[in-house]
Amino acid sequence: QVQLVESGGGVVQPGRSLRLSCAASGFTFSTYGMHWVRQAPGKGLEWVSVISYDGSNEFYSDSVKGRFTISRDNSKNTLYLQMDSLRAEDTAVYYCAKESSVSVAMDFDYWGQGTLVIVSS
Amino acid sequence: TVLTQSPGTLSLSPGERATLSCRASQSVSSSYLAWYQQKPGQAPRLLIYGASSRATGIPDRFSGSGSGTDFTLTISRLEPEDFAVYYCHHYDSSPPMVTFGPGTKVDFK
Repeated sequence: QVQLVESGGGVVQPGRSLRLSCAASGFTFSTYGMHWVRQAPGKGLEWVSVISYDGSNEFYSDSVKGRFTISRDNSKNTLYLQMDSLRAEDTAVYYCAKESSVSVAMDFDYWGQGTLVIVSS
Repeated sequence: TVLTQSPGTLSLSPGERATLSCRASQSVSSSYLAWYQQKPGQAPRLLIYGASSRATGIPDRFSGSGSGTDFTLTISRLEPEDFAVYYCHHYDSSPPMVTFGPGTKVDFK
């Protein structure tokens, strides 16, 4: 069955960096676009970034553009999110999510359980 | 595209009908409109895709409808496990950009 397992969260000081990972299994990882979505404590869902199936295209929300970098290693079935220049407002649970279709991206059919990032001095 | 959901909270009893609204700031393709359910401490779960198609394993008491700027998620008869937060979602493909509504919480009256 499809599994997405995030890791790498923790407590980090403002201005520092953190790298999140999402290990995928149960599907052909290299054929699907993948996303990061975050949720601040007690708040709604906020889309962060997307990467195409082959890693050739990536897009970001305005709130993280220039600070976060999404990447993937299809040989390891793993998605990454490099987060630099972290701010207090980046504090959230970060979810990785799989697009439901290989051909047309429309929605997310599987999500990981999330990893918590706390940015605090 | 900005998504607005109403009401913010819906207080109902098991067995009642729930009607949740999602309004887009501009007309969107129904193909790119989805609904998710999220329970406390859990990841979101896809309920409805393409505005009206139920995802795998979703009970038929959940239904979606709408087009253009107005979309609706209906739960015909609330079960205890349906009390959760529901988000609508739009995927804009060019360039790729995803928007979520602020959510509607369905809680016990």
